[in-house]
Amino acid sequence: DVKVTQSSRYLVKRTGEKVFLECVQDMDHENMFWYRQDPGLGLRLIYFSYDVKMKEKGDIPEGYSVSREKKERFSLILESASTNQTSMYLCASSHRDSNYEQYFGPGTRLTVT
Amino acid sequence: AQKITQTQPGMFVQEKEAVTLDCTYDTSDQSYGLFWYKQPSSGEMIFLIYQGSYDEQNATEGRYSLNFQKARKSANLVISASQLGDSAMYFCAMREEENRDDKIIFGKGTRLHILP
Repeated sequence: DVKVTQSSRYLVKRTGEKVFLECVQDMDHENMFWYRQDPGLGLRLIYFSYDVKMKEKGDIPEGYSVSREKKERFSLILESASTNQTSMYLCASSHRDSNYEQYFGPGTRLTVT
Repeated sequence: AQKITQTQPGMFVQEKEAVTLDCTYDTSDQSYGLFWYKQPSSGEMIFLIYQGSYDEQNATEGRYSLNFQKARKSANLVISASQLGDSAMYFCAMREEENRDDKIIFGKGTRLHILP
C-alpha cells in the first residue's frame, strides 16, 4: 500500500513561531506537493517538488518555504506563523508523468493563535 | 478564471438513490486528465476515479462512474445506489498534461449528505 505520512494531525502554534510540517512517502515517488485546504476554497497548491533539492512555487507560496533534501521527505516551513495560516495542510505524492492519482497524507490541522 | 467549477456547494440525497455531482472544467490543452476524490470527515483524500481526455469510454469504478462530455467540458461524477458512507466532501480535479508539470488543480468541492 502507498503510504504518505505527516508528522502531526493537530498542531497549535503562536504567532511569530517557526513551524515545520513534515511529509514522508514510501513509494519512491518523484513528485511531492503541499496544499492548504480552507472551507469554500478547496485545495490550493503552495509548493511542489519534482526531485530532490528541486522546488516550484504553486498558487499561494507567500509566507511559506519548502525543503526536499531526500526523495522521500518534503517539508513545509512557516518562517513566522501568522493567524491567517490557520488551516488544514495536506501533503501528496505521485510518480512523474503519472496519468493517475496523487496519494495524500492524512493532513495536519494547524492553528496559529 | 476558474479551471474547475463545482456549482453545488452541498447536496442532500436519500439513501439508495443515484447521485450526480457536477463538474465543469476549462482548458485549452488537448491532453488532460480528470479526477474525483472523496474526503470523509476524517480528512483523508481518497481517489475515486480517473478519466483521460482521449478515453472514448466513460470511466467506471464499482458504484462510481464519470459522465464525460468533452464538447461541454463536463465531468460529472455519478454514484449509483448511494449509501450512508458516501456522505463526504467530493472534489473534482484536472491535470493538464501538456504542461508536463504534474500539477493537479482542484475545484472547491461539493458536500454530499446521504439521508437514511
